[in-house]
Amino acid sequence: GAGVSQSPRYKVAKRGQDVALRCDPISGHVSLFWYQQALGQGPEFLTYFQNEAQLDKSGLPSDRFFAERPEGSVSTLKIQRTQQEDSAVYLCASSQGLAYNEQFFGPGTRLTVL
Amino acid sequence: AQRVTQPEKLLSVFKGAPVELKCNYSYSGSPELFWYVQYSRQRLQLLLRHISRESIKGFTADLNKGETSFHLKKPFAQEEDSAMYYCALRGLGNEKLTFGTGTRLTIIP
Repeated sequence: GAGVSQSPRYKVAKRGQDVALRCDPISGHVSLFWYQQALGQGPEFLTYFQNEAQLDKSGLPSDRFFAERPEGSVSTLKIQRTQQEDSAVYLCASSQGLAYNEQFFGPGTRLTVL
Repeated sequence: AQRVTQPEKLLSVFKGAPVELKCNYSYSGSPELFWYVQYSRQRLQLLLRHISRESIKGFTADLNKGETSFHLKKPFAQEEDSAMYYCALRGLGNEKLTFGTGTRLTIIP
């Protein structure tokens, strides 16, 4: 079966541009997570959805970061006015949403801001 | 606050030798601990979790609450074990994972 997919896989943006990163979770998965992984670091939590509800956005680094999941399936992470420090791999994960369920990760989108 | 520490960024071990990847955590309640692995050109995937008490690919990890550790061990390393390993924590009633900075394990033939 298909796993979590993300697009684009690579994105190069000029500083100040807006970008949108897409995540397609595993079909039927209730929970969806976004993580940011800077070079040489582990993934860091950004935000979490349960269906269409954004239950935790405590990890979003600034108000330039915005995530949505309007129909409880596909999610988009939007970064406005990108800065060089936004350069990272953005990982999406999904899970069945029940307690103790495994998170399945996508391949990530590598964002480079010049 | 929850925190995961992996003190070794790089670890090289000869094939057939024992492997131990260290993980220490900080959390005020009862955490759930995981090891994730990322092989070359593959996505991050779950290796094992402490509540399962399983041995996956010969790896085991025991949660030591006294030492707040969750070290990953394997008695005899294999070349296919070369990968990036991340220790992660999930707090009670919380869905998000907190990861360590990872250890790159290289098995020397």
